[in-house]
Amino acid sequence: DAGITQSPRHKVTETGTPVTLRCHQTENHRYMYWYRQDPGHGLRLIHYSYGVKDTDKGEVSDGYSVSRSKTEDFLLTLESATSSQTSVYFCAISDHRDGYGYTFGSGTRLTVV
Amino acid sequence: QQQVKQSPQSLIVQKGGISIINCAYENTAFDYFPWYQQFPGKGPALLIAIRPDVSEKKEGRFTISFNKSAKQFSLHIMDSQPGDSATYFCAASRETSGSRLTFGEGTQLTVNP
Repeated sequence: DAGITQSPRHKVTETGTPVTLRCHQTENHRYMYWYRQDPGHGLRLIHYSYGVKDTDKGEVSDGYSVSRSKTEDFLLTLESATSSQTSVYFCAISDHRDGYGYTFGSGTRLTVV
Repeated sequence: QQQVKQSPQSLIVQKGGISIINCAYENTAFDYFPWYQQFPGKGPALLIAIRPDVSEKKEGRFTISFNKSAKQFSLHIMDSQPGDSATYFCAASRETSGSRLTFGEGTQLTVNP
């Protein structure tokens, strides 16, 4: 998707290993989000950011941490990956306070074996 | 808890028919209700959205109906086409939440030719 890039697109990792997913935007948007998508659960918010070094927890934040040292980059880290974290992870950006006009990345499919 | 509940989980419609997807929400403070469309391997994309000051919004073949008293909103796709086959998500947010969207579980729509 234009203006937002997620990397890697696919990753297979072993249980117990740390994993970092990257979201990079070129839109200079203030808000950035990490969601996970699982069948039957829709999209659930993991962490989000209001700006540089300003982050907060979402509804499923256990086992995840984030960092945002620059406006354009939002990193999601799984400190010690577990099989329950096998999912598709989406980053989204927005420049609106009320949730209008999220732009999503193309996703990262993570498999923890 | 799931603050936005979506139904049905899957829907099969014949070409030219009407597709209807329903959502119900719990938080009366929600003031923005978008629908997102997702094709396989892609991130969700904003389709249409409504605010609670109106009961209906139409954009082409897509219409949102909103019932504030019942805390329900629905997506109607008129003259459904095979190209509409995708996963649809309803969502809700409130301005004071700092633009965080809460999503429904998703509906897998299949339009048969």
